[in-house]
Amino acid sequence: DVKVTQSSRYLVKRTGEKVFLECVQDMDHENMFWYRQDPGLGLRLIYFSYDVKMKEKGDIPEGYSVSREKKERFSLILESASTNQTSMYLCASSFGLDQETQYFGPGTRLLVL
Amino acid sequence: AQSVSQHNHHVILSEAASLELGCNYSYGGTVNLFWYVQYPGQHLQLLLKYFSGDPLVKGIKGFEAEFIKSKFSFNLRKPSVQWSDTAEYFCAVNAEAAGNKLTFGGGTRVLVKP
Repeated sequence: DVKVTQSSRYLVKRTGEKVFLECVQDMDHENMFWYRQDPGLGLRLIYFSYDVKMKEKGDIPEGYSVSREKKERFSLILESASTNQTSMYLCASSFGLDQETQYFGPGTRLLVL
Repeated sequence: AQSVSQHNHHVILSEAASLELGCNYSYGGTVNLFWYVQYPGQHLQLLLKYFSGDPLVKGIKGFEAEFIKSKFSFNLRKPSVQWSDTAEYFCAVNAEAAGNKLTFGGGTRVLVKP
């Protein structure tokens, strides 16, 4: 069974704080993804990584950065959290791109006050 | 405008009713199509996917979807729903034209009344 875990289920942060969201997968997947999920907007891709130390911008990368130092771990960083970054953050991983199924973590619900 | 559209945001129906959720996309060229489901309190998981062959694909839990290329559609169907099908359903498209990134629709919340 593929397992994708995220470091926190719920987080409350203040505006301006630096926020780290961690994601770990145990299936040796090449690709990892960070999405945010907002009502009515579905999932929107923030960043993805297809290899260690490699990253690509998704559709909404502004205000975020990522780090992938090890194959199994993909971190999302909010350099200076803002209230409009209050959202549900989902991490996913997949073996390949294109036709491959993505496996999702449980999500981190972030509230920025 | 979103490139993957799900027509209904909320659907309420009774057990044993038939379900059809619409999904349309705007990409030309090669596409791979997915339906994901998120049950209350659970991870998002794959329901079914299509990338070639028979345009009618069957997934888990009695769901199926039909790819109609001429209509740019990939509608999800289930002939008879159960209370346990209460969930949010997301259509997603991986398109060459979009750099092979997965693009999700806005989701449809389905509530099945017992």
